[in-house]
Amino acid sequence: EAGVAQSPRYKIIEKRQSVAFWCNPISGHATLYWYQQILGQGPKLLIQFQNNGVVDDSQLPKDRFSAERLKGVDSTLKIQPAKLEDSAVYLCASSLRLNTDTQYFGPGTRLTVL
Amino acid sequence: KQEVTQIPAALSVPEGENLVLNCSFTDSAIYNLQWFRQDPGKGLTSLLLIQSSQREQTSGRLNASLDKSSGRSTLYIAASQPGDSATYLCALNNAGNMLTFGGGTRLMVKP
Repeated sequence: EAGVAQSPRYKIIEKRQSVAFWCNPISGHATLYWYQQILGQGPKLLIQFQNNGVVDDSQLPKDRFSAERLKGVDSTLKIQPAKLEDSAVYLCASSLRLNTDTQYFGPGTRLTVL
Repeated sequence: KQEVTQIPAALSVPEGENLVLNCSFTDSAIYNLQWFRQDPGKGLTSLLLIQSSQREQTSGRLNASLDKSSGRSTLYIAASQPGDSATYLCALNNAGNMLTFGGGTRLMVKP
């Protein structure tokens, strides 16, 4: 079974630029999560989708971050414009159903904002 | 708001030692608690999941316990090996499978 795929693996941009990350969850998984992990800290949930609808985005900085999951499969997370403090690893995870316990994580995208 | 603390932040032990990693949390109204492993440059791998009604779970050399009354969980690793070197994260599920993570314990097992 293929795991969660993310791209790119690494991205370096200057502040005020825009960036987008892509995630392809495990086939058949209805629920998709985006986490932000700052160096030395645990992951923090940004947004949770159930199919193509948002379940929770209370911790998403909506003035600069946006996410979508068209057709309920792949998802993109965008930052516009980026700030220095956005430097982090962005992790995508998926689970079979909304309340299914096991989340499967992708390898992450490491973002550096200069 | 759930707060999760992991102590110690880093740990270095010689191969073969038994060790305990600690996780404390402030809100005991949880559905479950999970322990994850994270290797450098890789995503998280789920190790053990303890449901709210359970007190412990075991998998191979790993044993995780849960004490909701004191807001604590421990991960016990028996006979540690260099391959166990990684960051270990605990995460609490309070509702809707939205996880709150601790800061992690970075473990180094020396040959």
